[in-house]
Amino acid sequence: DVKVTQSSRYLVKRTGEKVFLECVQDMDHENMFWYRQDPGLGLRLIYFSYDVKMKEKGDIPEGYSVSREKKERFSLILESASTNQTSMYLCASSSSALQPQHFGDGTRLSIL
Amino acid sequence: GQSLEQPSEVTAVEGAIVQINCTYQTSGFYGLSWYQQHDGGAPTFLSYNGLDGLEETGRFSSFLSRSDSYGYLLLQELQMKDSASYFCAVRDAGTALIFGKGTTLSVSS
Repeated sequence: DVKVTQSSRYLVKRTGEKVFLECVQDMDHENMFWYRQDPGLGLRLIYFSYDVKMKEKGDIPEGYSVSREKKERFSLILESASTNQTSMYLCASSSSALQPQHFGDGTRLSIL
Repeated sequence: GQSLEQPSEVTAVEGAIVQINCTYQTSGFYGLSWYQQHDGGAPTFLSYNGLDGLEETGRFSSFLSRSDSYGYLLLQELQMKDSASYFCAVRDAGTALIFGKGTTLSVSS
């Protein structure tokens, strides 16, 4: 079974802090994704990566950056956290564009 | 713009059949997927339609009509454990999926 592990289930940070959300997958998947999920808005893609050191902007990249130094790890970085970034963050991976995405359990991030 | 439309809420009773519709407007189309998410849990893949027609997996079926930019998820013999949110998603090009806003299904006894 594919396992996508997000480093924290709950996280509380302060405005202006630099925040790192980590995601690790154990199935050698090429593609990794970061989404945020807000009530009534569904899943919105922030960034994705189709290979090591490669990244593509999703629909809402502003205020975020990502890092993929190793195939199994995809990090989401909030450069200077703001209250409107309080949300559930979901990481996913897939072996190819045609294959299903496998999601982690999510990180509920609160910015105070 | 790109959009997927699905109902926000659906209610049904145990044993019933429910259909969740999804209409899409995207610049490209490479298949319609459905994901299920229980409260507090991770979304999990349910089904994929790349071509027109019906795909059946146990109690769940999914249908696609590319000419109508329309698909649906059909859940039969509903059980309480089917209470969850259901998302349709389209791959318009490349690797990424575009997700709908989700349909919350409530099953009562």
